[in-house]
Amino acid sequence: GAVVSQHPSRVICKSGTSVKIECRSLDFQATTMFWYRQFPKQSLMLMATSNEGSKATYEQGVEKDKFLINHASLTLSTLTVTSAHPEDSSFYICSAREFTSGSPLHFGNGTRLTVT
Amino acid sequence: QQQVKQSPQSLIVQKGGISIINCAYENTAFDYFPWYQQFPGKGPALLIAIRPDVSEKKEGRFTISFNKSAKQFSLHIMDSQPGDSATYFCAASTDKLIFGTGTRLQVFP
Repeated sequence: GAVVSQHPSRVICKSGTSVKIECRSLDFQATTMFWYRQFPKQSLMLMATSNEGSKATYEQGVEKDKFLINHASLTLSTLTVTSAHPEDSSFYICSAREFTSGSPLHFGNGTRLTVT
Repeated sequence: QQQVKQSPQSLIVQKGGISIINCAYENTAFDYFPWYQQFPGKGPALLIAIRPDVSEKKEGRFTISFNKSAKQFSLHIMDSQPGDSATYFCAASTDKLIFGTGTRLQVFP
């Protein structure tokens, strides 16, 4: 089945630094990738939609200058958390769609970000 | 309009029993309704999905029932096992996937 790889699985950084999270579709091309954030014991909240070769579309309330998304190829999207603060500590999960809207979304295993 | 309401928040079932989780939506443009299973520290994994032109779909012990007129759908887990203990999310999508609030299922031996 389709596999989405996310790296790193865990990262600890100091407040004010930036962290980059990678999301790769390993055996399929993904024109669209999605980034979610999940706080403990809560649901997944969509942060942004990443389209290959174009600017990401951010959900309401998500700061685009803080959460930089780049989708440079059909198999790679990156999320950079800039100037991280403790309140950015969360579980970040990417997902990728193999074909068009309505196709199954495949999820990575998430990145646990802790900002100290 | 974009919300997907899920209940119950938590569910305790005895081994061999039936687990039932319900979801409701408002946006009639949703055209795809998947269920995901998530274990602690992992990303969600697709369990089963249905489209609105079908009223029921069964895969092994998992069944989705879909009521288009009521804008509701549910997941039934037959013969629940301790290994099914996880958090379950319903979801609905057009171009974006919107998740329900989640149900923590515990299956006791």
